[in-house]
Amino acid sequence: EPEVTQTPSHQVTQMGQEVILRCVPISNHLYFYWYRQILGQKVEFLVSFYNNEISEKSEIFDDQFSVERPDGSNFTLKIRSTKLEDSAMYFCASSRTDGFMSPLHFGNGTRLTVT
Amino acid sequence: EDQVTQSPEALRLQEGESSSLNCSYTVSGLRGLFWYRQDPGKGPEFLFTLYSAGEEKEKERLKATLTKKESFLHITAPKPEDSATYLCAVQAGGADGLTFGKGTHLIIQP
Repeated sequence: EPEVTQTPSHQVTQMGQEVILRCVPISNHLYFYWYRQILGQKVEFLVSFYNNEISEKSEIFDDQFSVERPDGSNFTLKIRSTKLEDSAMYFCASSRTDGFMSPLHFGNGTRLTVT
Repeated sequence: EDQVTQSPEALRLQEGESSSLNCSYTVSGLRGLFWYRQDPGKGPEFLFTLYSAGEEKEKERLKATLTKKESFLHITAPKPEDSATYLCAVQAGGADGLTFGKGTHLIIQP
């Protein structure tokens, strides 16, 4: 069964550094998402992406964050100037159509640790 | 603001002991309510989508139901492999993002 794959599985970075989290969505999916889960807290929506542009973003997704689909297969989340509070598990997800009619398929996440 | 509250936070059952997990929600124009299963160190795995009050969906030992204010995930004769965190999420009308609850951590003891 096709899967969403995320790399790396664990990223450690120093405060103030930039990180790029990478995702390969399922190949025939058109909608892409990033969510995050701070340890012990809820899964939170960050951003959705469709047709090479942001479709919706949450209040969390401020100017520090950006997303890109640099080629036909990868979907990336960039965090500029990381803060301690950015430490979390970041999940990429994709869906064949919008998430209402087709379910989201999540990757296994990248654990980001900011020191 | 959309809100999802799940109860109990944790539940320990004996193998074969049926029970229900609750998801209470407030949302502006429910587009869909979703149940996911999350195993440790993994991403959420889709289980069900419910669209309107009165709807029910079943999969193996799981059955999800929906009213205008809450959803239940009924687990019948659970097995140890059903141990996981079960997440409920809602999607509001016109929104892409899902609002998740904190989940119910379910442990099935042999």
